[in-house]
Amino acid sequence: AQKVTQAQTEISVVEKEDVTLDCVYETRDTTYYLFWYKQPPSGELVFLIRRNSFDEQNEISGRYSWNFQKSTSSFNFTITASQVVDSAVYFCALSMGVTGANSKLTFGKGITLSVRP
Amino acid sequence: GAGVSQSPRYKVAKRGQDVALRCDPISGHVSLFWYQQALGQGPEFLTYFQNEAQLDKSGLPSDRFFAERPEGSVSTLKIQRTQQEDSAVYLCASSLEGAGLRYQETQYFGPGTRLLVL
Repeated sequence: AQKVTQAQTEISVVEKEDVTLDCVYETRDTTYYLFWYKQPPSGELVFLIRRNSFDEQNEISGRYSWNFQKSTSSFNFTITASQVVDSAVYFCALSMGVTGANSKLTFGKGITLSVRP
Repeated sequence: GAGVSQSPRYKVAKRGQDVALRCDPISGHVSLFWYQQALGQGPEFLTYFQNEAQLDKSGLPSDRFFAERPEGSVSTLKIQRTQQEDSAVYLCASSLEGAGLRYQETQYFGPGTRLLVL
């Protein structure tokens, strides 16, 4: 069985602070995929990133960066110089594949990020 | 192009009533997923379609839940004899398979239908 744990439930920061959202996953499969999604108040889940289990290279996209460490089964997400528009619920998710039924996502409970002006 | 759309956006039902929730996936997307998101929780998988074939319904919580996608495009999730525990946001997602391009298999989500059973 797969499991995603997001131990932090709510985080509040002041604008321009850096913030890291933690994600720990469990799976017995050697091939798997990790995701981060953003859910703004409108409710629609917005895809941010996907990593596969064979690629531990960290990734940076603008103010966003991701740290994937298989040794600790973690896939953490850092927002640098946070902005009010970053306020949302962030979900980490796991799948066994990217096609077919294996691509169904197992989500964590989400982290509510509030960025204050 | 248009994203995934869902209707209605909000639905209030009396306990015992049947409801039908609609999902219009992105045109040409082969895969379609339904998820249920309870308040304060992450989405949980309900069922998966590849074109018109329902290949995985392991997440449907009871036989009161039924989903179909008869022509391989629009999908309907039906809940019979609704119960208060069915109150949740129902999310639909679609993805394009087989393109072989990075992120093409990414699931794109609709805005969800918020169901409240009184």
